[in-house]
Amino acid sequence: DAGITQSPRHKVTETGTPVTLRCHQTENHRYMYWYRQDPGHGLRLIHYSYGVKDTDKGEVSDGYSVSRSKTEDFLLTLESATSSQTSVYFCATREGRNYGYTFGSGTRLTVV
Amino acid sequence: AQSVSQHNHHVILSEAASLELGCNYSYGGTVNLFWYVQYPGQHLQLLLKYFSGDPLVKGIKGFEAEFIKSKFSFNLRKPSVQWSDTAEYFCAAPWSGTYKYIFGTGTRLKVLA
Repeated sequence: DAGITQSPRHKVTETGTPVTLRCHQTENHRYMYWYRQDPGHGLRLIHYSYGVKDTDKGEVSDGYSVSRSKTEDFLLTLESATSSQTSVYFCATREGRNYGYTFGSGTRLTVV
Repeated sequence: AQSVSQHNHHVILSEAASLELGCNYSYGGTVNLFWYVQYPGQHLQLLLKYFSGDPLVKGIKGFEAEFIKSKFSFNLRKPSVQWSDTAEYFCAAPWSGTYKYIFGTGTRLKVLA
C-alpha cells in the first residue's frame, strides 16, 4: 500500500545496539500500530498509538518503546536489541473504528 | 478473556477444490470481524469485513465469509480455489473497549496445481 512506508526494509544489527524502525503514512489515519510476526505466533501487538503523543502498550512491549510526534510518523525503538527480537515488523494504520487495518510492507530485522 | 481462534493451521487443497477456513471468536458487545490474507513474502491485505447487516459478506477475489452469531463463528469460504490463493489467512476482531485488534494465529493454505 503506497500510503504506508516502513524503513528500513531490511536490517542486520548486533546484540546490545539500539535500533529504530520508522513507519510513515500519508493517509492521515489516527491509529497506528506496530506488530511483530514470528512463525507459530502469528501477529503480536507491540505498541499502538491513538493520536499524536498518545501511545499504549500491546502484548509484547518489553524491550520496545515508541514515539509519535506527528500524525504521519510512528517510530519503534529497540532499546538494546536481543536475538529474540529477530523478527519481521509490520506497521499498520486504521482510519477509524469501523475500518480495517492497512499494513506496511514490513521490516525484516536480524539481531546477531 | 477475548480471543480469536483459527483451528486449521495448515490446509492443502488441489485446484478447484472448495475452501472453508474456520474462525471463532469469544467476546461480547458489538461484533466486527475481518479476514486478512498474506501472500508469500508480502504484507497483510484486507480480504473482507463484517460490521452489521447481512451475515454473508463478500470480499475480493471470490472469497466470502458468513457470520453465525449462535456459533461465534466467521468462517472464510471460496467455492473453487486457485494456485494463486496459496497464502496465509488471518482472522481478526477488535479488542472490546480498546483501539486494538486481536489476530488469530493464521492458517497456511497451499493449493496444488
